[in-house]
Amino acid sequence: DQQVKQNSPSLSVQEGRISILNCDYTNSMFDYFLWYKKYPAEGPTFLISISSIKDKNEDGRFTVFLNKSAKHLSLHIVPSQPGDSAVYFCSRGSGNTPLVFGKGTRLSVIA
Amino acid sequence: DAGITQSPRYKITETGRQVTLMCHQTWSHSYMFWYRQDLGHGLRLIYYSAAADITDKGEVPDGYVVSRSKTENFPLTLESATRSQTSVYFCASSESRGFTEAFFGQGTRLTVV
Repeated sequence: DQQVKQNSPSLSVQEGRISILNCDYTNSMFDYFLWYKKYPAEGPTFLISISSIKDKNEDGRFTVFLNKSAKHLSLHIVPSQPGDSAVYFCSRGSGNTPLVFGKGTRLSVIA
Repeated sequence: DAGITQSPRYKITETGRQVTLMCHQTWSHSYMFWYRQDLGHGLRLIYYSAAADITDKGEVPDGYVVSRSKTENFPLTLESATRSQTSVYFCASSESRGFTEAFFGQGTRLTVV
């Protein structure tokens, strides 16, 4: 049972505009949601996280929103830059469970 | 330099052969993980370890063996490689099981022919 779902395999955005990446999750066992970014031929790198007790977390151009009633979280990148082009993975975990990842969304930022 | 390193970066092996992928971390993190990345599946957990001599199965453990005799090393062995195990393998380490960030190695691209 896939516990985090990223339903959009790819997304194209123009440079300077907002990128919105989405993730849905099932059940509510897990406490933390983390976004990772992955470039080709490299390992995933941590981007930003949010605890289930919060609704929003911001770090520079990156903001993650958590809608617990809809079991949905989203990553906003504003403004988008060509260097943001990568695969983004949504993940969730807790003190009792390792990180479970979604299938990823490939973001292409077009100059 | 502190970090997590995987070796080899690339490996081609034949069906039925045993192959071991190495992972070494210098942070003294308690937890270490092995994931595989496949098109259409994202990252799937194979095995993880909470400490030396403590290991646990993940989502896709069949055909793999792990050991952790030292905190800093977490090798992954394919006992008898199959074509379905062709994948990119990532090792990661973390201070916790799942509520803090995990740091990933650069990956090992394994091809089973």
